[in-house]
Amino acid sequence: AQRVTQPEKLLSVFKGAPVELKCNYSYSGSPELFWYVQYSRQRLQLLLRHISRESIKGFTADLNKGETSFHLKKPFAQEEDSAMYYCALRAIQGAQKLVFGQGTRLTINP
Amino acid sequence: EAGVTQFPSHSVIEKGQTVTLRCDPISGHDNLYWYRRVMGKEIKFLLHFVKESKQDESGMPNNRFLAERTGGTYSTLKVQPAELEDSGVYFCASSPLDGGRDEQYFGPGTRLTVT
Repeated sequence: AQRVTQPEKLLSVFKGAPVELKCNYSYSGSPELFWYVQYSRQRLQLLLRHISRESIKGFTADLNKGETSFHLKKPFAQEEDSAMYYCALRAIQGAQKLVFGQGTRLTINP
Repeated sequence: EAGVTQFPSHSVIEKGQTVTLRCDPISGHDNLYWYRRVMGKEIKFLLHFVKESKQDESGMPNNRFLAERTGGTYSTLKVQPAELEDSGVYFCASSPLDGGRDEQYFGPGTRLTVT
């Protein structure tokens, strides 16, 4: 079975501080991992995916297969980063559905 | 280019009534997905269409839910009869037919409240 765990429902940091949103997964096959973000009054949108190895809006995430983690990091948080963040998993082969974690609400304090 | 659209944005119905949600995918996207988030829980997959065919309906909770995509364009999700536990936000997403490995683009969601 596929499962994604985001241990923090709420995370609050000050502007300019580093931020790390945790994501752990369990899946016996080869996974593809994503981070989706939902800003206030906007739709859910893809932030980044592990296969592209990009840095988007200063965020990075590295897939650690040994620890089955895909934590999202940013060295210096900005107020506009305040949003709901969802980690998601998809099987590389087979079913194309996304399996989401419960989400972490990130608040950046000025 | 218009994104995925969903109608209505919000629906309030009484237990036992019927509600039909609609999703219009991005033009040309053959993959269409339905997800929902019930209060306090994660976003969960309901089903996946490829054109007009149901590719994966493993997430449909029970037979009170019926999804259709006649003609392979827009899709409807009907709940009949609605129960209190059906309350939540229903999301639709679409992606091109590229082996389904492409990004899924989400609609704004329909908030369903069953009283």
